[in-house]
Amino acid sequence: QQQVKQSPQSLIVQKGGISIINCAYENTAFDYFPWYQQFPGKGPALLIAIRPDVSEKKEGRFTISFNKSAKQFSLHIMDSQPGDSATYFCAAKGEWGAGGTSYGKLTFGQGTILTVHP
Amino acid sequence: GAGVSQSPSNKVTEKGKDVELRCDPISGHTALYWYRQSLGQGLEFLIYFQGNSAPDKSGLPSDRFSAERTGGSVSTLTIQRTQQEDSAVYLCASSQRPGSYNEQFFGPGTRLTVL
Repeated sequence: QQQVKQSPQSLIVQKGGISIINCAYENTAFDYFPWYQQFPGKGPALLIAIRPDVSEKKEGRFTISFNKSAKQFSLHIMDSQPGDSATYFCAAKGEWGAGGTSYGKLTFGQGTILTVHP
Repeated sequence: GAGVSQSPSNKVTEKGKDVELRCDPISGHTALYWYRQSLGQGLEFLIYFQGNSAPDKSGLPSDRFSAERTGGSVSTLTIQRTQQEDSAVYLCASSQRPGSYNEQFFGPGTRLTVL
C-alpha cells in the first residue's frame, strides 16, 4: 500500500517559470511533511517542511501548500532556475512505534524529476 | 567529518555473495536509519536504530538482510547471499534524536550492483 502518492513523475519547466509538484497521503497519523531535493550521486537533502496545523509555509522561492481535509500537499518553486534541476521527493513522518513514540521514519513519495531549461 | 559518510560508494558483487555496507553517522546523533532507493520501489525504509537497539526492523525485505550498530555510532548493513533484486542504492541517515521534527541528514549512499 503506497501511503504517499506523488505526481507528476517528471516535469519540464522554462527558466523563470513555476514548478508545481503534488502529493497525497492516506495515514492521518502523519504529523510532519518534509520535501527533499536530490542531485545525482548525492543523498536527499531537506528542502522545506510543514506541520499539518499550518496551511502554507514559504522559504525563499519554495512554498509548501497544505490541505489537511483533502490530505494533500504541494511544493511550488517560483522563478525556477536551471540549478533547481533535481529529483524532488515529498515525504511524511509520524508513524508511531512501540512505546507510543514517533521515531521519525520517513515514508516517501515516488519522486519527481524536475528539469529547468535555460 | 561534518556529514554522514558511507562506504563503499560503489560495490559490485556476484549473485550469492555476502556484502557489508557501512554508515558513519554525524557525531552525537542517536537515531540512525537505513533506506533503499531503487528504480521500481523508490525510497523505502529498512531499519531504525536508537542507540544500539533496533526498535523497528519492519522494512528489511527478507532474513538475508541484517544490521547492527555499535557504540551508538557506526552501523553496518549486511546482505547475505545477494540476489539481483538487491541491486539498489542503500542510504543511511541520522538525526540528533528520533521523532517527527528532528531533521534526518542523509549520506551519499552505497550503490550496490549484483551481477
